[in-house]
Amino acid sequence: DVKVTQSSRYLVKRTGEKVFLECVQDMDHENMFWYRQDPGLGLRLIYFSYDVKMKEKGDIPEGYSVSREKKERFSLILESASTNQTSMYLCASIQTSRPYEQYFGPGTRLTVT
Amino acid sequence: AQKVTQAQTEISVVEKEDVTLDCVYETRDTTYYLFWYKQPPSGELVFLIRRNSFDEQNEISGRYSWNFQKSTSSFNFTITASQVVDSAVYFCALRGQKVTFGTGTKLQVIP
Repeated sequence: DVKVTQSSRYLVKRTGEKVFLECVQDMDHENMFWYRQDPGLGLRLIYFSYDVKMKEKGDIPEGYSVSREKKERFSLILESASTNQTSMYLCASIQTSRPYEQYFGPGTRLTVT
Repeated sequence: AQKVTQAQTEISVVEKEDVTLDCVYETRDTTYYLFWYKQPPSGELVFLIRRNSFDEQNEISGRYSWNFQKSTSSFNFTITASQVVDSAVYFCALRGQKVTFGTGTKLQVIP
């Protein structure tokens, strides 16, 4: 059974803190994605990675960075959290040979106070 | 530019009614995939269906059916005889060179 896990379901951080959101997949997928979901805006792509140590900016990368040191793990980093980064964050992965099957993690609801 | 439009923000129906969720897309890619996902209150996105741009055959799966019309760039989703468990947010998505999601339609099925 395929699985994408995220380190926390709920997270509360203070403005200015450095925040790490971790995502792990056990399907040996090459491609991993970070989205944020906001009411009325749907899912918006922040960053994605096609391979270890490779990363590409999505539609809204400002204020975020990512790290992919191992194939199974893709981390989203908020260098200095701000209140406008309060959101639901969703991680996903895809196998290159099956681009139509995108698997999502359960999401992390981040609140920045 | 790539775009997915779900014009219906919220829909309420009474249980056992049929309901159609609309999805209209724009893309310049000749090869692409279309998806529908369900997001129940628990939050996790559940994959429902995918269609590639060369396959316009409609599909039925139990109470769910999908109507893909390339001529109108639409990929609509119909739930027949709706049930309370169908209450969720439904997202349409397009994957060409990149992935784009619609803004979602919140469906509430009232008992």
